[in-house]
Amino acid sequence: QVQLVESGGGVVQPGRSLRLSCAASGFTFSSYGIHWVRQAPGKGLEWVAVIWYDGNNKFYADSVKGRFTISRDNSKNTLYLQMDSLRAEDTAVYYCTKDEDWGVFDYWGQGTLVTVSS
Amino acid sequence: QSALTQPRSVSGSPGQSVTISCTGTSSDVGGYRHVSWYQQHPGKAPKLMIHDVSKRPSGVPDRFSGSKSGNTASLTISGLQAEDEADYYCCSYAGSYIYVFGTGTKVTVL
Repeated sequence: QVQLVESGGGVVQPGRSLRLSCAASGFTFSSYGIHWVRQAPGKGLEWVAVIWYDGNNKFYADSVKGRFTISRDNSKNTLYLQMDSLRAEDTAVYYCTKDEDWGVFDYWGQGTLVTVSS
Repeated sequence: QSALTQPRSVSGSPGQSVTISCTGTSSDVGGYRHVSWYQQHPGKAPKLMIHDVSKRPSGVPDRFSGSKSGNTASLTISGLQAEDEADYYCCSYAGSYIYVFGTGTKVTVL
């Protein structure tokens, strides 16, 4: 069965960096685009970034552009999110989600919590 | 990249129907059929309920239906059941390979 498992969350000071991982299994990882979506405590969902199946195209929300970098290693079935220059407003649960086709997010991980605080 | 507008909350009694609206612009909801809906129970990951405006994935009860008119998409839950109490989010493609979610709607079963 399809599984997405995020890891790497934690407490980090403003201005510091953190890298999230998303380990995928149960499907042909290299055939699908994968997104990061986040949810601040008590707030709604916010789309963060997408990487195409081959890693050659990446797109970001304006709120993270220039600070976050999405990448993938298809040999390891793993997605990454490098988060630099973190701000308090980046505090959220970060989910990875598989894109079946044009924004059809059919499988989600359980999420990993990132807290940016001094 | 402004969030799509949804009502903060809707409610209904068991067996009734409720409809959640999702209003965007011609650059997102109005411009594409790539509109999806997600259900989220507290502390859980979102679950896909509707995609491409009105298509229902296998396993999703047929009491969930979607539609779109102009810049507004809608999710209707017919025959409301207790387990439908959750938060619901719409999501639309917004061009240039970016996506935008709605503000979210809490559905309460009275």
